Amino acid sequence: EAEVAQSPRYKITEKSQAVAFWCDPISGHATLYWYRQILGQGPELLVQFQDESVVDDSQLPKDRFSAERLKGVDSTLKIQPAELGDSAMYLCASRNVLFFGPGTRLTVL
Amino acid sequence: QKEVEQNSGPLSVPEGAIASLNCTYSDRGSQSFFWYRQYSGKSPELIMFIYSNGDKEDGRFTAQLNKASQYVSLLIRDSQPSDSATYLCAVNAQAGTALIFGKGTTLSVSS
Repeated sequence: EAEVAQSPRYKITEKSQAVAFWCDPISGHATLYWYRQILGQGPELLVQFQDESVVDDSQLPKDRFSAERLKGVDSTLKIQPAELGDSAMYLCASRNVLFFGPGTRLTVL
Repeated sequence: QKEVEQNSGPLSVPEGAIASLNCTYSDRGSQSFFWYRQYSGKSPELIMFIYSNGDKEDGRFTAQLNKASQYVSLLIRDSQPSDSATYLCAVNAQAGTALIFGKGTTLSVSS
């Protein structure tokens, strides 16, 4: 069964450092989402792509977060500089009914 | 601000009982509704979705939708300890847009 791939699975970093997360959606899925889930909360959308284009990044903190999907396939989410409040699970999802990847657990010290 | 509300729980039920999970949403124009299960430390997995008013059944799970009341629920029959998890309700305002999630309800099924 096809799955959404994410790496790394876990990341520990110090505040003010840069971090990057990678996602490879299910083959053929044009729509890709990055969500952030803080412990005890539901996932919140950071950015939505349709192919290589950003459809919605209204909730992305653009002063420190960036996302790209250059060839319309895999995607990278970057945080620079990381802050303590960025500690969360970062989830990548594919297509309309959202097949989630395993997530990246980020801890900022 | 479009919102999806769920009681955080925990909801505790004995094994074999029916668990009832509830969700309300603020956007009257919402079109599709989803239930996800999330085990601790794992990513959400889709249980079922519903688009039309009424009930939709899938095995031990039944989703119920009442658009007039802006209310969606999930019933789990014959609850098992393995059903213990957080259940997330999600709403899609219109096709092509991202889902809006509630904070989730934690379910605990005791054996």
